[in-house]
Amino acid sequence: GQSLEQPSEVTAVEGAIVQINCTYQTSGFYGLSWYQQHDGGAPTFLSYNALDGLEETGRFSSFLSRSDSYGYLLLQELQMKDSASYFCAGNYGQNFVFGPGTRLSVLP
Amino acid sequence: KAGVTQTPRYLIKTRGQQVTLSCSPISGHRSVSWYQQTPGQGLQFLFEYFSETQRNKGNFPGRFSGRQFSNSRSEMNVSTLELGDSALYLCASSLELAGHYEQYFGPGTRLTVT
Repeated sequence: GQSLEQPSEVTAVEGAIVQINCTYQTSGFYGLSWYQQHDGGAPTFLSYNALDGLEETGRFSSFLSRSDSYGYLLLQELQMKDSASYFCAGNYGQNFVFGPGTRLSVLP
Repeated sequence: KAGVTQTPRYLIKTRGQQVTLSCSPISGHRSVSWYQQTPGQGLQFLFEYFSETQRNKGNFPGRFSGRQFSNSRSEMNVSTLELGDSALYLCASSLELAGHYEQYFGPGTRLTVT
């Protein structure tokens, strides 16, 4: 079946840059989304990559390499409010498969 | 534009009972998906509806069912509740833009089964 893998947790300091990686299975794959979820909150959409390359949205960028079945979310100029869980999600037609989530802790 | 709304926000049921959860998508969104989120299993896809038709279904038992109405509002039902059904149930609506899926999640319904 389809599954995605990402690190369980990442720690970084305020102002730093952090990269959260995600690998996915290629069968039926259309694109990769990223979501942020704060404790007690709902996931919020960050970005979507259907084509290879980098998509930039403010401090957040997302990258996809179809040949490597790999993508990443890059967070720059980290702020305390970025402490949250980040999920990659593979778009397999009308079915979204979420990764297990990466818990990002931003330290002062 | 109003966001995705889900009712109720919290629910406590006992084993064997059934429950119905409701989701109202963002105006204009015709696709509604349901997810179960638990600490152990993460976010798991339940099913997706588009124009009142179930387009896709995840790997959940038949006790989990859903439907979508003509106004795109959706309900999911869980019958014969089990302790393991305790979870956050999230609804997400989508605006399909030429191959680009962007899901907007509601706040969820926290279901506790005792």
